[in-house]
Amino acid sequence: GAVVSQHPSRVICKSGTSVKIECRSLDFQATTMFWYRQFPKKSLMLMATSNEGSKATYEQGVEKDKFLINHASLTLSTLTVTSAHPEDSSFYICSASSHANTGELFFGEGSRLTVL
Amino acid sequence: TQLLEQSPQFLSIQEGENLTVYCNSSSVFSSLQWYRQEPGEGPVLLVTVVTGGEVKKLKRLTFQFGDARKDSSLHITAAQPGDTGLYLCAGVRGAQKLVFGQGTRLTINP
Repeated sequence: GAVVSQHPSRVICKSGTSVKIECRSLDFQATTMFWYRQFPKKSLMLMATSNEGSKATYEQGVEKDKFLINHASLTLSTLTVTSAHPEDSSFYICSASSHANTGELFFGEGSRLTVL
Repeated sequence: TQLLEQSPQFLSIQEGENLTVYCNSSSVFSSLQWYRQEPGEGPVLLVTVVTGGEVKKLKRLTFQFGDARKDSSLHITAAQPGDTGLYLCAGVRGAQKLVFGQGTRLTINP
């Protein structure tokens, strides 16, 4: 089956630094990728929709200057948490959709960010 | 505003018992998906239901989509400790956008 990989799986950073998380589709081309945030023991909340070659579409309440999304190729989307603060600590998950697949999304393993 | 209300949010039962998890919304979805998530991992798709009234079975798991495509249920028969996990329902809106319920954290005690 299709595989989506995230890197890093865990990252610890100091407050004020920026952190980049990668989401790769390993065996298919993903025209659309989605970024979610999940707090401990909570559900997934959609942050933004990332479209290859165009600007990401952010959900209401998500700061686009805080969470920079780049989808430069059909197999890679990146989420950069800029000037991270402890409240940005969370589990970030991406999912990807193949343009050749009608409806199924494939999720990455998630990336746990801890901001000290 | 939580578009998908999932209940119960926590459930702890003994091995061998049956259980049902509900997912309700006032909105109509083109389809609804159920996922299972282990700690520290991404969600894994269990099933997608598309047609109102549809019932799908996956071994001891039975999924049902409401006639109006606004609600769904997951029934587990003879639960086993391996069924422990976070179960998430997600409604599919246009362009494959998923709206997740709050999740049900299920614990099956041996």
